[in-house]
Order: sequence, then C-alpha cells, then structure tokens
Amino acid sequence: AQRVTQPEKLLSVFKGAPVELKCNYSYSGSPELFWYVQYSRQRLQLLLRHISRESIKGFTADLNKGETSFHLKKPFAQEEDSAMYYCALMTGGFKTIFGAGTRLFVKA
Amino acid sequence: DGGITQSPKYLFRKEGQNVTLSCEQNLNHDAMYWYRQDPGQGLRLIYYSHIVNDFQKGDIAEGYSVSREKKESFPLTVTSAQKNPTAFYLCASSMGGKAEAFFGQGTRLTVV
Repeated sequence: AQRVTQPEKLLSVFKGAPVELKCNYSYSGSPELFWYVQYSRQRLQLLLRHISRESIKGFTADLNKGETSFHLKKPFAQEEDSAMYYCALMTGGFKTIFGAGTRLFVKA
Repeated sequence: DGGITQSPKYLFRKEGQNVTLSCEQNLNHDAMYWYRQDPGQGLRLIYYSHIVNDFQKGDIAEGYSVSREKKESFPLTVTSAQKNPTAFYLCASSMGGKAEAFFGQGTRLTVV
C-alpha cells in the first residue's frame, strides 16, 4: 500500500536547537518525495523536493531508500519556522499522497 | 496575478443540499486536485484530473463529484450523500508528471 507516515503530530523545540521532522513512506516504485509547509494564514506551499537536493531556509532532507525515510532537518531552528509541515509522496499517474502533518513550534 | 483561486472562502450549507466549490487556475497546468483537510488527518485526496474531460477518484471520493470541462477550472460538488461534509477543502494544480503542486487558499464548508 502507498502510505506516508509522520509519527509526530506536534514537535516543540527551543530557538537555536536542531530540529528533525520525521517522514516514512511505503511505495514499491521509485519515489518522488516533497516537503510542503503551511505558515499561519498562508497557503500550503512547497518547501523542498528530494530530487533537487537543495537547502531551503536552512532545511534539508535526504532520501534514505533503505529505511524508506525522508526526514526534514535544520541545525538551528528559528521562531519563523513555526508552521505545519507535510511530507508528500508522488506516485505515478499524478497522484500525490500526503502525511498527516507535523506542527512545529519553535519557542523563544 | 497568476495562481490558483478558490471561492468562496467560507460556505454554509443546509443538510441535504448539494453545494459546489469553485477552483480556477491561470497557470496553464494540466493536472488539478481536490483535497480535504481535517485536523489530525492531513490532506486526503478526493478527486484528481490530469487532462481536460478526464478525472479519477482519489481515496475519499464517495459523496463528491467533479467535472473538468475546461483546463483552468475544476469545480467540486459536495452532494447530500457525503455523510460528514464539514471540512476545509483545498484545490491544487501542477504541471503534471512529478511536478510540485500549487495550492489555493481553501474553502471552509460548514453544514448547518
């Protein structure tokens, strides 16, 4: 079955601390994975995708096919990182499956 | 201003009535999607369309219907058969293939 699992509903860290939002997927094919972010009162938007191998706003995510994971990491969290984060798996046929989301709260 | 527009932002419906949510995009995207967002459940796919005059059911299509008569438009009808229609509905579009999705601002539907 195709599935995306984000085990943490809420993650609370202090400003300056490292943060890791976990994402595991289940898919038999070659996965295309994304992280989307929704800031307060803004629309859902793309943060990064694994194929780009880029760092956006200090965030990185590495695809680990052996562990079927795509965790999102940032070495030093900022208050403006507080948002809802969704991991997404795009399968063939235009279908995208989203995880349940993790709300990140960065405390001052 | 290019983008994807959903209307209305808030919608109230009496139980037993059908209601249609609008989604328009001027990004020239081939693919369009409807998601339902509930607290603690993330986004669940209702319907998607990768080309005009064609669409497929997502994971929770029961009680919903769509049409794709024009490339830029993908309206969603919430029918009276949908048992729990009160939710936040998100429309998205993409170039297709494995491209990123662009989202609308959403429509919050409340059944009273």
